Amino acid sequence: AQSVSQHNHHVILSEAASLELGCNYSYGGTVNLFWYVQYPGQHLQLLLKYFSGDPLVKGIKGFEAEFIKSKFSFNLRKPSVQWSDTAEYFCAVARYGGSQGNLIFGKGTKLSVKP
Amino acid sequence: GAGVSQSPSNKVTEKGKDVELRCDPISGHTALYWYRQSLGQGLEFLIYFQGNSAPDKSGLPSDRFSAERTGGSVSTLTIQRTQQEDSAVYLCASSLRAGGPNEKLFFGSGTQLSVL
Repeated sequence: AQSVSQHNHHVILSEAASLELGCNYSYGGTVNLFWYVQYPGQHLQLLLKYFSGDPLVKGIKGFEAEFIKSKFSFNLRKPSVQWSDTAEYFCAVARYGGSQGNLIFGKGTKLSVKP
Repeated sequence: GAGVSQSPSNKVTEKGKDVELRCDPISGHTALYWYRQSLGQGLEFLIYFQGNSAPDKSGLPSDRFSAERTGGSVSTLTIQRTQQEDSAVYLCASSLRAGGPNEKLFFGSGTQLSVL
């Protein structure tokens, strides 16, 4: 069965620190990969996604993620975090060609950025 | 409406009672999804509707859970004989159409269900 693992439950950083959130998935076929973010009191929203092509994907607010097929990983990065990045981050995978709504989500990583 | 609307925002019920959760998708969106987020867990896919096609019910955890979508718009998720383990946030999302790289999901703010 497909699954998504996020390595950190809660990450605490100071402003300007670099961020990397780990995500690994298990699925033998071709996949589409996503990072979603939920800011406090707001709806879940898409941060970035990978479908094909360049494995380094850039998203909103300076975030990027790299798809490494051999490692079944899709880690999220940001060179310098801001207090406003405090949120919960979810990695997700969908079977290639399937609906993006039929997603398998990880358990999420809470990011707290200290001002 | 401007976004996906869910009601009620909070629901407290007693074990064994039935509950109905409502989702109003964005107007014109043909795909609608239900998820559940239990404490400390990721989002769990429950069911999705695409137009008039038969829904994908593969994520429903038991036969106590059912959902319908009337007229291709509003959807109701029904949980019969609620159990304490049903306590969770139930999220609804919609998209213009399911499938493809251009699909974009819009999520509602969820219904927090507490079963006492």
